[in-house]
Amino acid sequence: RKEVEQDPGPFNVPEGATVAFNCTYSNSASQSFFWYRQDCRKEPKLLMSVYSSGNEDGRFTAQLNRASQYISLLIRDSKLSDSATYLCVVNIGPTKTSYDKVIFGPGTSLSVIP
Amino acid sequence: GAGVSQSPSNKVTEKGKDVELRCDPISGHTALYWYRQRLGQGLEFLIYFQGNSAPDKSGLPSDRFSAERTGESVSTLTIQRTQQEDSAVYLCASSRVGYSNQPQHFGDGTRLSIL
Repeated sequence: RKEVEQDPGPFNVPEGATVAFNCTYSNSASQSFFWYRQDCRKEPKLLMSVYSSGNEDGRFTAQLNRASQYISLLIRDSKLSDSATYLCVVNIGPTKTSYDKVIFGPGTSLSVIP
Repeated sequence: GAGVSQSPSNKVTEKGKDVELRCDPISGHTALYWYRQRLGQGLEFLIYFQGNSAPDKSGLPSDRFSAERTGESVSTLTIQRTQQEDSAVYLCASSRVGYSNQPQHFGDGTRLSIL
C-alpha cells in the first residue's frame, strides 16, 4: 500500500460546481497535513494546511479524520482558474532515519469546464 | 523576501555528460529537499538535508546521483553519466526546521533534457 493515496481522477466539472478530493495515508504517526496545487509545467504551491478541527479559506475547506487516516479538500463554486493538479501532502515527522519525512501523494487532476 | 532559487532553468545535454543543478533555499530555512518529476508523473523524493545532520539519501535512484549542501545554504545536485531516463524537472524545496507543521516552498525547477 502506498503511503499516501488520492483519487485517481481526472475530475472534469462545470464552472460553479462543488468538487471534493479525498486522500488517505497509511502511517498513523503522521503529524501534519497539507494540500498543494500544481499548475501544468509549474512547481507545486501550498494551497492550505489541514488542521485537526478542519479549516476553511474562502471557497476551500480542508478536513482531517485521524481515526480514519483520511484528508479531504472541498472546493465550492469552482472557477476556471481552479484547474490544476491537487496534491495531498503528509509529514510523518521524525523517523529513525530522517529528521523529517514528507510524503507527496500522486495528485488528482481537476479541469473546470466553461 | 526572496523565494527558493534554482539554476539553470533549463539544461539540455548529451547522454553521458555530467550535470550540476543548483538550489538556493529561502534564508533561514534549514531543511532542503530535492525531488524529480517526470512528465505527467508525481513528485519523486530524492534527498533531504536538515542542518548539520546526515542527509536522508534514501530516494536517490542510483550512485550516479549525489548532492551536497554547505551548512544551511546552497545545495547542488550532481548527475554523472546522464541517461535519457534522467530527463525530468528537478525541483528543490526548503522549509523551516523544528516544526513539522511547516510547509515546503518550492523553486521553479530545472528542466533537464538528455539527448
